[in-house]
Amino acid sequence: KAGVTQTPRYLIKTRGQQVTLSCSPISGHRSVSWYQQTPGQGLQFLFEYFSETQRNKGNFPGRFSGRQFSNSRSEMNVSTLELGDSALYLCASSNGPGTEAFFGQGTRLTVV
Amino acid sequence: DQQVKQNSPSLSVQEGRISILNCDYTNSMFDYFLWYKKYPAEGPTFLISISSIKDKNEDGRFTVFLNKSAKHLSLHIVPSQPGDSAVYFCAASVTQETSGSRLTFGEGTQLTVNP
Repeated sequence: KAGVTQTPRYLIKTRGQQVTLSCSPISGHRSVSWYQQTPGQGLQFLFEYFSETQRNKGNFPGRFSGRQFSNSRSEMNVSTLELGDSALYLCASSNGPGTEAFFGQGTRLTVV
Repeated sequence: DQQVKQNSPSLSVQEGRISILNCDYTNSMFDYFLWYKKYPAEGPTFLISISSIKDKNEDGRFTVFLNKSAKHLSLHIVPSQPGDSAVYFCAASVTQETSGSRLTFGEGTQLTVNP
C-alpha cells in the first residue's frame, strides 16, 4: 500500500509569488491535514479536509488556503509569499478522528 | 497557549537501556494521543497511539502510558537502539467529528542513544 505522497519535495520561490503544494493520501483515507514546521514554532496545524470540505482551520492568515478533490488528493496554496513562510510543509492522511495519521515526506519551501 | 508540552528538549541514554519520553497536556478534551519519530527534513513517522479509554498500549519495543488524572503520557522504548536516535513528538486530538483530525503537537524531544 503506497504511503502519503507530497510533491514537490523542494521549492524555492521569491517574495510576493504564490505556490501550490500537492498531497496524495493513502488509498482509502478521506481526511487530509496540512501542517507547517518551522524551527521557532514547531509543528502547527494549518487545515483539514474531509470529503472535499474544510472541516477545521488553524490560526493562519487567509493567504494560506487549500482544497480537496473527489479522489481525496489535496492541494494547499500560499499567495503573496513572505520570507517567514519558509518552512517544511507536511501533509497527513487518516480515516478520521481517533485514527492514526500518517505523514508524507514534506515539501521544503524556501522563500528568498 | 501551549496545550501539549514536552519539557525535556533532549535525552541521552545508553544502548540497551530504557528511554522514557514524557509529555503533558492541559486540554481535558483531548482523548486520543500519538507518538511520532522524526528525522530532519522528513515527515514524522507514526510509532504508537493510545485512546483515553486505555492507560497502556504496547507495540514491540514501544509502550505508551496514559495518566488521565495527571494529564500526562509517556513513551517507553526498551531496549533502546542507536537507530532510535531522532526527535520524538507527542500529539493529541479530540475525537469528535466536528473537531476533525486536528493534531496538537508538543515541541519534541531529541533522543540520542549512545552505542
